[in-house]
Amino acid sequence: EVQLVQSGAEVKKPGESLKISCKGSGYSFTSYWIGWVRQMPGKGLEWMGIIYPGDSDTRYSPSFQGQVTISADKSISTAYLQWSSLKASDTAMYYCARRDDSSGWGNFDYWGQGTLVTVSS
Amino acid sequence: DIQMTQSPSSLSASVGDRVTITCRASQSISSYLNWYQQKPGKAPKLLIYAASSLQSGVPSRFSGSGSGTDFTLTISSLQPEDFATYYCQQSYSTFRTTFGPGTKVDIK
Repeated sequence: EVQLVQSGAEVKKPGESLKISCKGSGYSFTSYWIGWVRQMPGKGLEWMGIIYPGDSDTRYSPSFQGQVTISADKSISTAYLQWSSLKASDTAMYYCARRDDSSGWGNFDYWGQGTLVTVSS
Repeated sequence: DIQMTQSPSSLSASVGDRVTITCRASQSISSYLNWYQQKPGKAPKLLIYAASSLQSGVPSRFSGSGSGTDFTLTISSLQPEDFATYYCQQSYSTFRTTFGPGTKVDIK
C-alpha cells in the first residue's frame, strides 16, 4: 500500500528555522516526483515545488523560490520542506503528494496527511 | 503562469441532485486537468485525471469532461459523503502546476 506519512504539527516563533518531513512507503520512492502544497487557513491549494528523489532534481514555484528549501534523502525514503527564518505568514497546513508519472498526466495520486505549522510570537 | 478559475465558488444542493462545477484555464491545457475532493481537516483526494479518467476506487457518479480551456466535473446524484470542496488542477505546465480556487458544495 502506498503511503506518505508526514511529521507532526509544529509551533514556532518568527525567525526560527524548521524542517518538516514526508516519508514514503509501499512504492519505489526514487521513481516518483514528490510535491509540496501549502494551504493557508480557510484558503485554497498552492503548489510550492517538487523534487525527484532519484537524483534530487528540484523545481520551485516562483512564489516560493528562495523562501523554502525542498530536499530528499532517498536512503530513508523521505522528502523535506524547510525554512531558515519563519514568518507569521508561513502559518498553514503543508501537504506532500506523489506525482503519478505512470499516467503521464501530472496528477497527484497519493497525499500525506498534512503537517500544520503555526508561527506565532 | 496558467491561471485557473472555477464557478461557482460555492453551491448548496440536496442529496440526489445533479451537480456541475466548471473550471476554466487562461490558455489551452489540452486534457491536462485533474479534479480533487477535500473534506474539512483532510488531505485532498484525486477524483479525475486527464480531464475525464476516473481514478481507481472513485464512485462512478463522478465524471469529468472538457478539453482546451473549459472543463466540468459532474456528480450525477449527490450523496451525503460528497459535501466537500472541489479543486481543479492544471498539469499542462509540468513544473508550474496551478490549482483553481475551489468550489464548496454544502447541504441545502
